[in-house]
Amino acid sequence: AQSVTQLGSHVSVSEGALVLLRCNYSSSVPPYLFWYVQYPNQGLQLLLKYTSAATLVKGINGFEAEFKKSETSFHLTKPSAHMSDAAEYFCAVSDKAAGNKLTFGGGTRVLVKP
Amino acid sequence: NAGVMQNPRHLVRRRGQEARLRCSPMKGHSHVYWYRQLPEEGLKFMVYLQKENIIDESGMPKERFSAEFPKEGPSILRIQQVVRGDSAAYFCASSPSQGTTGNTIYFGEGSWLTVV
Repeated sequence: AQSVTQLGSHVSVSEGALVLLRCNYSSSVPPYLFWYVQYPNQGLQLLLKYTSAATLVKGINGFEAEFKKSETSFHLTKPSAHMSDAAEYFCAVSDKAAGNKLTFGGGTRVLVKP
Repeated sequence: NAGVMQNPRHLVRRRGQEARLRCSPMKGHSHVYWYRQLPEEGLKFMVYLQKENIIDESGMPKERFSAEFPKEGPSILRIQQVVRGDSAAYFCASSPSQGTTGNTIYFGEGSWLTVV
């Protein structure tokens, strides 16, 4: 069975500071990993995904994530936070057995302070 | 290219009534997924459908909930005899064929159900 743990349900960063959102996964087979962003009262938008190619994945809006198999992690980073980054971020995992069915973490809400 | 379309965006139902949520997948997508997001929680998988076929309903409550994706028309998630605990955001997502795993699935903007 798959699972995803996101450390920290809330993260507060200053504008211009580094954004680091942590995600650890559990999967019995090589995983596919995703980060989605959700703005208030909206659906989820894909930020980036890892599907066994390069371990450092670049996404939209300046975000990137690194797949570390030894640590079973897929942390999301952005060098410099912008006010528009305030949103909730979800890490998700799927694998070949699950097809495209995603298992989500509990989410991390990001607050950006001016 | 229109995205995943869900309607209604907001729905209010009294306890005991029925709720019907509709989802039209992206053009060219033949796979539909329904997820539920309870307040202050992440998304939980409910059901995965292809046209006229339920592939995986392991996340569906055993009673009162059903889903279909007919040959023609949108996918429908139906909740009978709603209770307050059904109040949540229901998200539909779609993807191309299952042939390539790891496909991105695209989400609609959600249907917010409030049971009063």
